[in-house]
Amino acid sequence: KNQVEQSPQSLIILEGKNCTLQCNYTVSPFSNLRWYKQDTGRGPVSLTIMTFSENTKSNGRYTATLDADTKQSSLHITASQLSDSASYICVVSARTNAGKSTFGDGTTLTVKP
Amino acid sequence: KAGVTQTPRYLIKTRGQQVTLSCSPISGHRSVSWYQQTPGQGLQFLFEYFSETQRNKGNFPGRFSGRQFSNSRSEMNVSTLELGDSALYLCASSPTVGGGAYEQYFGPGTRLTVT
Repeated sequence: KNQVEQSPQSLIILEGKNCTLQCNYTVSPFSNLRWYKQDTGRGPVSLTIMTFSENTKSNGRYTATLDADTKQSSLHITASQLSDSASYICVVSARTNAGKSTFGDGTTLTVKP
Repeated sequence: KAGVTQTPRYLIKTRGQQVTLSCSPISGHRSVSWYQQTPGQGLQFLFEYFSETQRNKGNFPGRFSGRQFSNSRSEMNVSTLELGDSALYLCASSPTVGGGAYEQYFGPGTRLTVT
């Protein structure tokens, strides 16, 4: 069964600090992995998308890494800002079944001043 | 390019009623997916439409249905509403059926409250 597990479930950090969110998956065969940021009550916004051949992708202060061998991904946020407070969702798509996506439950990040 | 739009943004219905939600994808995108998001369940996949055909379906009862029109706009219908149907319903569009390296672009969602 395809699964995506994210950790931690929630995280509180001080403004200016760095943090790393984890995503482990069992989706196979792998097609791509996406990280989304979702503000409360809004739709998710794409941060990065990585295919099998990519192991790092950056988007401003957000850097995602992918280890396809261990089926792990991380999202590193540098110099956090109050506006980074949101839910971060990891999504993995398979190359079969018309690419059905499996969603993680998300990590809720709170950045405090 | 305009983003994904969803209407209405907020909706209050009574148990037993039915509801229709609408989604207009980004121009040129032919795939529309629907998701239900509740605090305890996260994002749950409902179904995906591509070129007016349902390509994928999640594990939801038959009360949840959808369709896609020739202009790629999509509607989702929920009949005989239950209290547990209260959720944020999100629509996402993509240039092609999911699985490629294409991103999904989400709309702002429709907040449905069933009383």
